[in-house]
Amino acid sequence: EVQLVESGGGLVQPGGSLRLSCVASRFTLGTYWMTWVRQAPGRGLEWVANIKEDGSETYYVDSVKGRFTISRDNAKNSLFLQMNSLRTEDTAVYYCTRSPPAFDIWGQGTMVTVSS
Amino acid sequence: QSALTQPASVSGSLGQSITISCTGTSSDIGGYNYVSWYQQHAGRAPKVMIYDVSHRPSGVSNRFSGSRSGNTASLTISGLQAEDEADYYCSSYTSSISFEVVFGGGTKLTVL
Repeated sequence: EVQLVESGGGLVQPGGSLRLSCVASRFTLGTYWMTWVRQAPGRGLEWVANIKEDGSETYYVDSVKGRFTISRDNAKNSLFLQMNSLRTEDTAVYYCTRSPPAFDIWGQGTMVTVSS
Repeated sequence: QSALTQPASVSGSLGQSITISCTGTSSDIGGYNYVSWYQQHAGRAPKVMIYDVSHRPSGVSNRFSGSRSGNTASLTISGLQAEDEADYYCSSYTSSISFEVVFGGGTKLTVL
């Protein structure tokens, strides 16, 4: 079965850092753009960042620019999200997803809680 | 990027049809043929139901259909079933170069 599995979430204090990982199974991650989408508790979906197939281009939502870094290791079929200077408003479930034209494969999500 | 506008909730009876609207601008919905709709059941990851305005992925029921008029996209679900009760989100690309995406705020569908 084609799938994505995220890990790395947890509880962190404001100003802290976390690194999320996403491993792909049964498809070659390096042939797709990949995206991180998040969902705050009780809220809607928010596009966070994406990365081109070869990692040469990355794009971010304004609220995370300069704090988050998306990267990939195609040899390991893996996607990452380095999150620094975390804020309480970054609290959310973070999903990795395959794209485009649509987000057709989603991971199960990993919860990030930013709280003192 | 501003979120797309969806009604907060819609409801319909078993067997009926409902339509969820999603309003954007010429910089997103009206500018690209990349409108998608996602279904999300509580505690689960989203699932794509419609992509490229009106295309249905393999395995998605033909009771789900999508359309667009100007800057407004619509999702129609016919023959409502109990398992259709979920949150629905629309999305659109805002750039064909960066594939940045904007989502709607979500619509809670209640099946009566």
